Amino acid sequence: SQTIHQWPATLVQPVGSPLSLECTVEGTSNPNLYWYRQAAGRGLQLLFYSVGIGQISSEVPQNLSASRPQDRQFILSSKKLLLSDSGFYLCAWNSGRDNEQFFGPGTRLTVL
Amino acid sequence: QKEVEQNSGPLSVPEGAIASLNCTYSDRGSQSFFWYRQYSGKSPELIMFIYSNGDKEDGRFTAQLNKASQYVSLLIRDSQPSDSATYLCAVMSGGSYIPTFGRGTSLIVHP
Repeated sequence: SQTIHQWPATLVQPVGSPLSLECTVEGTSNPNLYWYRQAAGRGLQLLFYSVGIGQISSEVPQNLSASRPQDRQFILSSKKLLLSDSGFYLCAWNSGRDNEQFFGPGTRLTVL
Repeated sequence: QKEVEQNSGPLSVPEGAIASLNCTYSDRGSQSFFWYRQYSGKSPELIMFIYSNGDKEDGRFTAQLNKASQYVSLLIRDSQPSDSATYLCAVMSGGSYIPTFGRGTSLIVHP
């Protein structure tokens, strides 16, 4: 069966510091991968998605970036965090068009 | 712009009752419909998906889809306090990689 991992589970970072969040999927090949952010009391905001290695689509222009160095690895990064970057970061995957998404456990980021 | 609308709630129902959660969507090309449950502080968990008009039942959950009315609903029979969570509706257009999520309905099941 498929499993999706995210780490770390929680993170507290100062403003201006860098960020690296990692997501890996097990038990499937060539998944579509997604990064979402969910701010407190708000809906899911799609940040990036990837349909293959090295293929990244950005949905929201901001100080975040994403990379997919391996088929089942998706990384979210920032060079300098802002207070507004605080939130619950969720990685998700699905197996193709029209298919349901499955979410990882999430990383709760607090920027102080 | 594709939109998915849900009443934010909270919807409060007594234990044992039927909880009815509703979702409307704007894109007539939508083909896939999903319901997620999200407990406070946790990630969304897929509980139902439906692709065809009509009802789909899975245990205590029934998803209902009416494409003509652009309406999808989730019924939870014999509601339990453990069903208390936020329920997210997601809709995907035909051939799309990207679902559109509603902002969720908070459900409270009280003993």
